[in-house]
Amino acid sequence: QSALTQPRSLSGSPGQSVTISCSGSSNDVGRYNSVSWYQHHPGEAPTLIIYDVTKRPSGVPDRFSGSKSGNTASLTISGLQAADEADYYCCSYAGTYLPYVFGSGTEVTVL
Amino acid sequence: VQLVQSGGEVRKPGESLKISCQGSGYSFNNYWFGWVRQVPGKGLEWMAIFNPVDSDSRYSPSFEGHVSMSVDWSTYTAYLQWSSLTPSDTAMYFCAIRPAVTASPFHFWGQGTLVTVSS
Repeated sequence: QSALTQPRSLSGSPGQSVTISCSGSSNDVGRYNSVSWYQHHPGEAPTLIIYDVTKRPSGVPDRFSGSKSGNTASLTISGLQAADEADYYCCSYAGTYLPYVFGSGTEVTVL
Repeated sequence: VQLVQSGGEVRKPGESLKISCQGSGYSFNNYWFGWVRQVPGKGLEWMAIFNPVDSDSRYSPSFEGHVSMSVDWSTYTAYLQWSSLTPSDTAMYFCAIRPAVTASPFHFWGQGTLVTVSS
């Protein structure tokens, strides 16, 4: 079960948008509409920001949006803010017996 | 909802260890526990999930046979246990919970337990 592929790092200026890709396979991202995204500030607990590809939990700003095309999911952060500087991980459901696979993680820097 | 994990641990190779994750603020029987590892400087890795109602579990092949999970219903606490640690087990371990619905994401997370294995 290999990790989903994400870019190692991305950066943007305040107010700009960044899009993080998450490349999987037909066994995970491509098969299930169960892709989630987590924001992780080092030293803190990760937090769920997107689930089921496009849904946002209560309290997550609509600056965060998700999408999927084929075997690749994406997270877009619009109107970048300093507080968005964190590591971001995608995660896909991958079936009954090996339910979850995380992405390799993307460090987002706000310039 | 709160998940409170036990404090950091230091062990020698070959020793055993049990870390805990106590849940509160939700219905214990409506959520599965999950465990996620983060090796220093690396990303998140899914380890296993566990249904506290019937003890149904799933393990990543990378961890099956090396760790085990259990729960204590009386204290709403989940446990992750090693019988013989190795230095490669040095990592931060997060517990998390997901609704008891197939393919659900991990909605809530604990603060993490740092495990250091060194001779």
